[in-house]
Amino acid sequence: NAGVTQTPKFQVLKTGQSMTLQCAQDMNHEYMSWYRQDPGMGLRLIHYSVGAGITDQGEVPNGYNVSRSTTEDFPLRLLSAAPSQTSVYFCASKTGVTNTGELFFGEGSRLTVL
Amino acid sequence: DAKTTQPTSMDCAEGRAANLPCNHSTISGNEYVYWYRQIHSQGPQYIIHGLKNNETNEMASLIITEDRKSSTLILPHATLRDTAVYYCIVRPPGAGSYQLTFGKGTKLSVIP
Repeated sequence: NAGVTQTPKFQVLKTGQSMTLQCAQDMNHEYMSWYRQDPGMGLRLIHYSVGAGITDQGEVPNGYNVSRSTTEDFPLRLLSAAPSQTSVYFCASKTGVTNTGELFFGEGSRLTVL
Repeated sequence: DAKTTQPTSMDCAEGRAANLPCNHSTISGNEYVYWYRQIHSQGPQYIIHGLKNNETNEMASLIITEDRKSSTLILPHATLRDTAVYYCIVRPPGAGSYQLTFGKGTKLSVIP
């Protein structure tokens, strides 16, 4: 059981480059989300989705795009990377069947923007 | 969502109980208390959650005061592998309430 899988684990970009962080889950979870974590800080919500075709903004959405074409996948796109986006990114999912319960997190993608 | 206040750091001797406090004095009647932890730089891991009754699972116990303004996470026999940052979070149930707001948490160091 793979759970939540994030790729790549590490990435270095130059300012202005674009890239996509991939997130996939095999638990048939309706809810998926992206967080970023800066050094010494807690996690901040970027975008989330409550089901295929439905996305919404979190606390820090600027500079990021998302889409949810399937239940399994929730990619995060950086259209023009900036040094301020240097961070560790975590994808998380949970079942929408109950409104409580746990979030399952991936292992993180470490992004450096030069 | 109600805000939480946690100590920045705590130490605990290996084999002893670790008691991690959390203050959530503005919690509303339908808001749940959640605990997660993050070991080193890994993804956060769910520990336990509760509404008003004390809860226990294989990892920990959650004690919520009668007025629900504070809670304590108890790791009964701390090991070195319990060294982590522990996050206390409160949020209401219901549609649109899937997001969790993570603060800076408490860094627990288990000492041999």
